Amino acid sequence: QITLKESGPSLVAPTQTLTLTCTFSGFVLTTREVGVAWIRQPPGKALEWLALVYGDDDRRYCPSLKSRLTITKGTSNYQVVLTMASVDPVDTATYYCTHKYRDSSGYGYWGLGHLVTVSP
Amino acid sequence: QSALTQPASVSGSPGQSITISCTGTSSDVGGYDYVAWYQQYPGEAPKLIIYNVDSRPSGVSRRFSGSKSGSTASLTISGLQLADDADYYCSSYTSRTTHVFGTGTKVTVL
Repeated sequence: QITLKESGPSLVAPTQTLTLTCTFSGFVLTTREVGVAWIRQPPGKALEWLALVYGDDDRRYCPSLKSRLTITKGTSNYQVVLTMASVDPVDTATYYCTHKYRDSSGYGYWGLGHLVTVSP
Repeated sequence: QSALTQPASVSGSPGQSITISCTGTSSDVGGYDYVAWYQQYPGEAPKLIIYNVDSRPSGVSRRFSGSKSGSTASLTISGLQLADDADYYCSSYTSRTTHVFGTGTKVTVL
């Protein structure tokens, strides 16, 4: 059974760096066939795809946010970390950690989400 | 990359069929058979209901079906039920090897 859980600060000051951790179980991030992505959703707004890393360390980023994002596999095979530099109040959102298979277009497993508020 | 375009809202009565469109470009929807659809209830994480244009994950009702023509993908919900009252999002793989979501559609069951 695949499960994912997001963790990190709930409140971040503008201009600071946000670090979110996704801790998962039910799979290991060691093969090119499996990936973990971050997707966010501002309150009342649409989903936005942020970044994806596959088990072979193949990384992809949202072009408009690429300069601010870094996605890495954690120290264990069961974690993925997302950092976002220079946060702004518009980055206030629920951040989701998700799982996908390389040959599928769908993100079949999602964490519950973690609300991050950017405010002084 | 620009968000895929969906109608803001679609409504229907129980038992009816509705279709939600998702319009992109040749660099995303039109270029790949990698379109997915998600259902989201308020306060919950999205749920995958269609992947690879027209495939259903195990456990998803046959009332949900997907298709694509050119740069427009579609989700059809047949036999509309009260439980289908939710937000729906499409997504697509893109030529930049990333993914992009749609603007979202609120489905109201009257």
